[in-house]
Amino acid sequence: EPEVTQTPSHQVTQMGQEVILRCVPISNHLYFYWYRQILGQKVEFLVSFYNNEISEKSEIFDDQFSVERPDGSNFTLKIRSTKLEDSAMYFCASTQEVGSYNEQFFGPGTRLTVL
Amino acid sequence: GENVEQHPSTLSVQEGDSAVIKCTYSDSASNYFPWYKQELGKRPQLIIDIRSNVGEKKDQRIAVTLNKTAKHFSLHITETQPEDSAVYFCAASRERGNQFYFGTGTSLTVIP
Repeated sequence: EPEVTQTPSHQVTQMGQEVILRCVPISNHLYFYWYRQILGQKVEFLVSFYNNEISEKSEIFDDQFSVERPDGSNFTLKIRSTKLEDSAMYFCASTQEVGSYNEQFFGPGTRLTVL
Repeated sequence: GENVEQHPSTLSVQEGDSAVIKCTYSDSASNYFPWYKQELGKRPQLIIDIRSNVGEKKDQRIAVTLNKTAKHFSLHITETQPEDSAVYFCAASRERGNQFYFGTGTSLTVIP
């Protein structure tokens, strides 16, 4: 069964550094999402992406964040200048284009630790 | 926007007993309600979902009910087993492509 994949599984970075988290959504999916989960808390929406542009974003997704689909398979989340509070698990998800409902399939996550 | 509340935050049951987790939502336009199981350090895994055109759905030991009028939906796990121990999240969303609004999670412990 196809799955969403993410790399790296764990990223450690110094405060102020840029990080890029990578995701490969399921191949016939066209809606893509990033969520984050701070340890012990609920999953929070960051951004959704469709047709090469952002379709929704939350208040968490400020100017330090950006997303890109650089080629036909990857979907990336960039944090320009990381802060301590960016430490979290980041999940990518995707939804297929056809169908009336919003099934989202999640990747295994990237644990980001900002020191 | 949508607000999803989930109760209880923790739940302990004896193996073989049933577990019920409840969620409420605020946006009457929400039409899709998935439940995810998350084991420690792992991705959320979809275990069951329900769409607004049905009131109940069952898959082996797991069932979900939806009351659109009252805007609440519940997860029922029967004959619980130790491997059911995990954090369970409910979510709500509108049309395809929209974000999920997650509940705060329920940590379920099944005691052997």
